[in-house]
Amino acid sequence: QLQLQESGPGLVKPSETLSLTCTVSGGSISSSSYYWGWIRLPPGKGLEWIGSIYYSGSTYYNPSLKSRVTISVDTSKNQFSLKLSSVTAADTAVYYCARPKHPITGDLAYWGQGTLVTVSS
Amino acid sequence: DIQMTQSPSTLSASVGDSVTITCRASQSISSWLAWYQQKPGKAPKLLIYKASGLESGVPSRFSGSGSGTEFTLTISSLQPDDFATYYCQQYNTYSLTFGGGTKVEIK
Repeated sequence: QLQLQESGPGLVKPSETLSLTCTVSGGSISSSSYYWGWIRLPPGKGLEWIGSIYYSGSTYYNPSLKSRVTISVDTSKNQFSLKLSSVTAADTAVYYCARPKHPITGDLAYWGQGTLVTVSS
Repeated sequence: DIQMTQSPSTLSASVGDSVTITCRASQSISSWLAWYQQKPGKAPKLLIYKASGLESGVPSRFSGSGSGTEFTLTISSLQPDDFATYYCQQYNTYSLTFGGGTKVEIK
């Protein structure tokens, strides 16, 4: 059974860079044609897609966040990572990593449990 | 970007009611639409993929329909476990977008 687990600091200072890692178990991140994604849920708001990375390394970002986001993959560790720079309080959210049910699609069937990141000094 | 508009934003219903949530895309997305259920403190759960495909393990009282720009999620007989927030999401392009969500509350 595929499992995803987010990890990283729960508190980030304004203007700094948020860094999170998603560790995948029960399957290889590079074995199939899947997009691995990051999604967030700000308090009191709806889900927002941040970006995705293809197993080969191609990336796709939310246009509203593109200038601040970097997603990378480390196949040797079976992990992919998110960096969000110049954070503000508006970036406070629960951050999820996820993988689709079907290859080369976006129907997100597998999710991590989520990790709360608070931006505050 | 493709915008997804969900309605209503809040829905009050009773156990046993049939409820319908609507999702509209700003341009045609064929059938590349998913529906999710999310409860407080939990990750979203995939209910429906490709507009009408029922995810494994999801009760048959959940159904999805539509294509192009208009989609619906119907819960045929609302159960206590169904009170949650529901999101639609398009995946017609590599840039995914979610609807604003519909909170289904107990009347």
